[in-house]
Amino acid sequence: GAVVSQHPSWVICKSGTSVKIECRSLDFHATTMFWYRQFPKQSLMLMATSNEGSKATYEQGVEKDKFLINHASLTLSTLTVTSAHPEDSSFYICSATRTGSSNQPQHFGDGTRLSIL
Amino acid sequence: AQTVTQSQPEMSVQEAETVTLSCTYDTSENNYYLFWYKQPPSRQMILVIRQEAYKQQNATENRFSVNFQKAAKSFSLKISDSQLGDTAMYFCAFMNRVPGGATNKLIFGTGTLLAVQP
Repeated sequence: GAVVSQHPSWVICKSGTSVKIECRSLDFHATTMFWYRQFPKQSLMLMATSNEGSKATYEQGVEKDKFLINHASLTLSTLTVTSAHPEDSSFYICSATRTGSSNQPQHFGDGTRLSIL
Repeated sequence: AQTVTQSQPEMSVQEAETVTLSCTYDTSENNYYLFWYKQPPSRQMILVIRQEAYKQQNATENRFSVNFQKAAKSFSLKISDSQLGDTAMYFCAFMNRVPGGATNKLIFGTGTLLAVQP
């Protein structure tokens, strides 16, 4: 159990377009999900904490209007990169923890490779 | 603020040998969790092992074990009988224990790239 699905796994798009990435908990409810960004050969950088039914909490330095997060249900959080530019190209990973199982390990999606031309 | 430090950017080990990856952290909290995650070339994040700070006994998962030294704020990972499939980036991570059952964020180290040589 505890499977997290992330879609798409790879997306290439033109500069200026908006891209939506989905993170789904397939077999459990997740009140809280997390979005990370990872540059090549670097660590995961937390971008924001996604909370079901409320606004996301963004880390310092992350543009809220650039990276829109919506967590409308207990199994789905979306990250939309608005008006994407080449510098937004990166690997984005989400994670989720089962609701009610406090302080349990986060389960990660397989990531999305975003390439902006 | 909590920080996690991995001082070994890269390491190499021969197949079947043992290797230890180091990790230190800084926190003023007393209740927390520590994790080791593995990220192979596929880039999937895989939980290797987990340690609860209030437990003195070191966690063990098959060939993987940790040396948790709470006073020294050290959390090293030992991989025994290394296998080619162990080749990956290894991240040490810290998470505060939150009262009330909420989920807290992970703080990652910079990672250690481990190469297992045949």
